[in-house]
Amino acid sequence: ETGVTQTPRHLVMGMTNKKSLKCEQHLGHNAMYWYKQSAKKPLELMFVYSLEERVENNSVPSRFSPECPNSSHLFLHLHTLQPEDSALYLCASSQETLLPNTNTGELFFGEGSRLTVL
Amino acid sequence: GENVEQHPSTLSVQEGDSAVIKCTYSDSASNYFPWYKQELGKGPQLIIDIRSNVGEKKDQRIAVTLNKTAKHFSLHITETQPEDSAVYFCAASIELTNDYKLSFGAGTTVTVRA
Repeated sequence: ETGVTQTPRHLVMGMTNKKSLKCEQHLGHNAMYWYKQSAKKPLELMFVYSLEERVENNSVPSRFSPECPNSSHLFLHLHTLQPEDSALYLCASSQETLLPNTNTGELFFGEGSRLTVL
Repeated sequence: GENVEQHPSTLSVQEGDSAVIKCTYSDSASNYFPWYKQELGKGPQLIIDIRSNVGEKKDQRIAVTLNKTAKHFSLHITETQPEDSAVYFCAASIELTNDYKLSFGAGTTVTVRA
C-alpha cells in the first residue's frame, strides 16, 4: 500500500459507544495530523504529532483522545460523542525537518473516516 | 491567528470555460499559499502552491496569483474539463518558522457542466 490509509471509511455510533479511528502512513513521514471536516467549514486542525510527541491540541474536547504509538500509526479514540461531532475525520502526514524554522506545509491526506453519531 | 476567507462557496462552469476562486488572508506574515483539490470520496491533495516571493505561478491549465499588498490570492483554471469537478481549498501559513500550520478556507465546490 502507498500513501495514507484510514479505517474504517464509515462509522455509525451511539453517544455512549467507544470506538477508534485508525490511520497508517506508508510515506516515511515523521509528523501526523487529525483534521475535522464539516460541510461548508474550513478544515479544523485537531491534533499534531511530530516524532510521536503531541505538539498541538487545538482545544479539542476530551471525548476525543489521540494516540501515536509510532511514526507510522495514529489513532483517534472516541468516547461519549455528541451528534455535532458527526463529520469526516481526515488523517494527514508530512515530513518535518529537525532544524528549527525550516518546515514547509505540504500535507498528504487519507481518504477520511465518515463518522455519524446518533 | 490566521483567518482565510474563500469565495465563492460554489461555482458552476461550462466545460471549456475558465474558473476563478479567490481567497483573502489576515496575517501579513503568511508567506506560503497552497491549493488543495478534494475529489468525491477522497482526501485533499496539493495541486499547486505559491510563495510570497513571486506573484504568479502556472502549471498547465492551472495558475495562482498572489497580491501581498491586498492580502489575497486566486486560483485560475482554464479550459475546464469534467475531471476538474471537485472541492478546492485555499490555505495559508508562515513557512520556515515554528508557526507553520496551515489555515484553510471553507472550500469551493466546482462543478463543470458537459
